Amino acid sequence: EIVMTQSPATLSVSPGERATLSCRASQSVRSNLAWYQQKPGQAPRLLIYGASTRATGIPARFSGSGSGTEFTLTISSLQSEDFAVYYCQQYNNWYTFGQGTRLEIK
Amino acid sequence: EVQLVESGGGLVQPGGSLRLSCAASGFIVSRNYMSWVRQAPGKGPEWVSVIYSGGSTYYADSVKGRFTISRDNSKNTLYIQMNSLRAEDTAVYYCARQWFGEPPDVWGKGTKVTVSS
Repeated sequence: EIVMTQSPATLSVSPGERATLSCRASQSVRSNLAWYQQKPGQAPRLLIYGASTRATGIPARFSGSGSGTEFTLTISSLQSEDFAVYYCQQYNNWYTFGQGTRLEIK
Repeated sequence: EVQLVESGGGLVQPGGSLRLSCAASGFIVSRNYMSWVRQAPGKGPEWVSVIYSGGSTYYADSVKGRFTISRDNSKNTLYIQMNSLRAEDTAVYYCARQWFGEPPDVWGKGTKVTVSS
């Protein structure tokens, strides 16, 4: 099983600033990496797939990068609605999720 | 509008059974890959099972032999039959649509399953 490790567990950032979240795979997943946003009581929402392609309706302030085992999600200018938990998921070899990064208001 | 609505969750005793349903609208279930993903309290999501458009089914090791995924094309509905339930199966269960080679893009709101005596 491919293990996905996200860092940090919690990230405190002020509105308007940039947030950078990391995800590492235990073996190469090529570019088969997705990012999800989840708010309390809601289902995960797909943000990024193919490591860097924004899903339909996702604002341009969300961007993804990386391939192989190292990936990054960047939110360029945080809005109030962006404070949530973010998960990475690999879909190269079945499907596994990271444990999440909680993005909180500083 | 593309939508998924899960139902069937509830409280069940260890060793018991439950069948979850996922009614789809706005697209045809049988033409997509459909997954069940669960999320235990305070944990990240965990993939449970997938059914391909061709009908092939696959399961996570944690549920293999106990859970069965299926669909009813006439009702455009996805199911998962869960037997021999354990405390560690307690979670919110989501159904999700996905395309070949891509991650789930549409998710339902989930249905809660609690396994406890």
